[in-house]
Amino acid sequence: EDQVTQSPEALRLQEGESSSLNCSYTVSGLRGLFWYRQDPGKGPEFLFTLYSAGEEKEKERLKATLTKKESFLHITAPKPEDSATYLCAVQGYNFNKFYFGSGTKLNVKP
Amino acid sequence: EPEVTQTPSHQVTQMGQEVILRCVPISNHLYFYWYRQILGQKVEFLVSFYNNEISEKSEIFDDQFSVERPDGSNFTLKIRSTKLEDSAMYFCASSGQGSQPQHFGDGTRLSIL
Repeated sequence: EDQVTQSPEALRLQEGESSSLNCSYTVSGLRGLFWYRQDPGKGPEFLFTLYSAGEEKEKERLKATLTKKESFLHITAPKPEDSATYLCAVQGYNFNKFYFGSGTKLNVKP
Repeated sequence: EPEVTQTPSHQVTQMGQEVILRCVPISNHLYFYWYRQILGQKVEFLVSFYNNEISEKSEIFDDQFSVERPDGSNFTLKIRSTKLEDSAMYFCASSGQGSQPQHFGDGTRLSIL
C-alpha cells in the first residue's frame, strides 16, 4: 500500500537555526514527490516537485532533495515567517491521486 | 497569478441536509480533485475528475457524494445527506496535466450540526 510518513510531527527552531524535515515514502512507481506549505485555515501552497532520485530544488531558504526512499526539506537560517505546516505528497503509477503525509508543524521563534 | 477559488468559505448545515461545495479551478487546467482534511488529520483524497468523468475515487467517496462540472468553469462536490462525520475542511485542486503539481484552493469548512 502506498504510504507517506513525515517526521518530526512538530519542530521548534530559533530564528537562524537550520534544520531538516523528513518525508519517507513507499509508492508503486513514483511519478513525483511534492512539497507544500500550509498556513492555518488555508489550502496547501505548492513549493516543489521532485521526479527522480538525486534531484534537488531550491527556493529562498528552502531546499528539497530526493532519494529512492525519502525526501528532505532543508531550511537554512529560518525566519518566523517560515512558520507553517509542511506537507509532503507522492504520486505513483496511478497519477489520479496524491498521498499526503501528516505534515511537520514548524514554529520559528524570533 | 491564477488561483483556485472555493465558495463558501464556511458552510453550516443540519445533519441529513444536502450541501453543495463550489470550486472554480485554474482556467486552463484539465484535471480536478477534491480532498478533505478532518481537523488535526492528514489531507485525504476523495475523487479525481477528467474529461467530464470520474477517473478515481477513494473509499470515502461513497454514494452520498457526487461531483459535477456543470459549465466550463465550475466544479462542484455534492453531499446528498450529510452526517456528523462529514464535518471537515474540503479542498478543491486542479492541475494542467496528470503528473503536474496540483494547486489548491483555500477550502470550505463544512460544519454539520
